Amino acid sequence: GESVGLHLPTLSVQEGDNSIINCAYSNSASDYFIWYKQESGKGPQFIIDIRSNMDKRQGQRVTVLLNKTVKHLSLQIAATQPGDSAVYFCAGDSGYSTLTFGKGTMLLVSP
Amino acid sequence: DTGVSQDPRHKITKRGQNVTFRCDPISEHNRLYWYRQTLGQGPEFLTYFQNEAQLEKSRLLSDRFSAERPKGSFSTLEIQRTEQGDSAMYLCASGQFGTQETQYFGPGTRLLVL
Repeated sequence: GESVGLHLPTLSVQEGDNSIINCAYSNSASDYFIWYKQESGKGPQFIIDIRSNMDKRQGQRVTVLLNKTVKHLSLQIAATQPGDSAVYFCAGDSGYSTLTFGKGTMLLVSP
Repeated sequence: DTGVSQDPRHKITKRGQNVTFRCDPISEHNRLYWYRQTLGQGPEFLTYFQNEAQLEKSRLLSDRFSAERPKGSFSTLEIQRTEQGDSAMYLCASGQFGTQETQYFGPGTRLLVL
């Protein structure tokens, strides 16, 4: 089955810095990944997704990188803002139309 | 706001009582998912529907849990004889099979069983 985990439980950055949040997965058959942002007391909010036939995808201030060789993906946030403070989850498609989530990384942005 | 709504947002109940939660997905989406999330953890899949059909249930979904989506629109999740271990955030997500796999989440229902 899918196992998705994150390397760091907490990441603290200064406002304006770039942030990188990492995620490892175990199921080499996974072909779809999503990054979600979750603020306290709210549901996960979609940020960006990527398919396994891509190695990079960019959105507004965010970039997701996928390295299938080492089964690793990362979320890069440019010019991090206090409003980016939240828990970030990566999720992978387990192959059964359901998502498997990691435990999350808490991003703390100080002004 | 993703367009997915859940009701109620908070529920406090006593052990042994039954509770029911409702989810209204994005109207054009044919898939609806239920997840459970405990403090400090990522969401865990419980079950999902495509239109009215319940296509998969997790091993986490005990016999006390039942979900329905009778008309292929809103869904309900019922927990019978609640236990303290059922305390969690229950999340609903919707998606459109065939065009994209992204799941959009609602705000969740936070359940506290005393």
